[in-house]
Amino acid sequence: DSGVTQTPKHLITATGQRVTLRCSPRSGDLSVYWYQQSLDQGLQFLIQYYNGEERAKGNILERFSAQQFPDLHSELNLSSLELGDSALYFCASSVGTSTGEQYFGPGTRLTVT
Amino acid sequence: DQQVKQNSPSLSVQEGRISILNCDYTNSMFDYFLWYKKYPAEGPTFLISISSIKDKNEDGRFTVFLNKSAKHLSLHIVPSQPGDSAVYFCAARGFLIQGAQKLVFGQGTRLTINP
Repeated sequence: DSGVTQTPKHLITATGQRVTLRCSPRSGDLSVYWYQQSLDQGLQFLIQYYNGEERAKGNILERFSAQQFPDLHSELNLSSLELGDSALYFCASSVGTSTGEQYFGPGTRLTVT
Repeated sequence: DQQVKQNSPSLSVQEGRISILNCDYTNSMFDYFLWYKKYPAEGPTFLISISSIKDKNEDGRFTVFLNKSAKHLSLHIVPSQPGDSAVYFCAARGFLIQGAQKLVFGQGTRLTINP
């Protein structure tokens, strides 16, 4: 158990819809990272928040957004969903901003039909 | 543009023998490399790392080797155990334009240890 929690575990929704994925980092960790893993792909970095502020941006679509709240939990919002957005979405956390060792949650499997 | 590549999607090794997982990268600015292990229905778990200024790092049964001139790293597991069966991801730390850092992951190699 990494100490990072993600909800929900599974999500099935239709194209055009909007969903919110939630992540609670390990106790004491200030950085939260979001990754997308599509079929047979490695993890693609989407975005990082540190202590409530956006720190780094990767290959995140404009239809996607994220935020980190004062209690350090984070939400990833995916809107105008397309079939290609079906993937595993992982959240990870670390103490600082250096992206060495990160602790991953179990992921949310999103299926867009 | 796949900057970190794991060319073997799968590897099968007999229990007790050595498992060697390979990873190639293209960006010479990567300064830190990591291996993560992933079981089904779980998130990746950090295994071992190496700085770009070193060529070897060892932790118990796990050793990572870095060949900077070849832009290649490998993970050796000796001896291999059934519990090592998992997907292994290689990752490299790079820098974004705004100075922040990010991890770039390979596609993963599925390791199966046979009894």
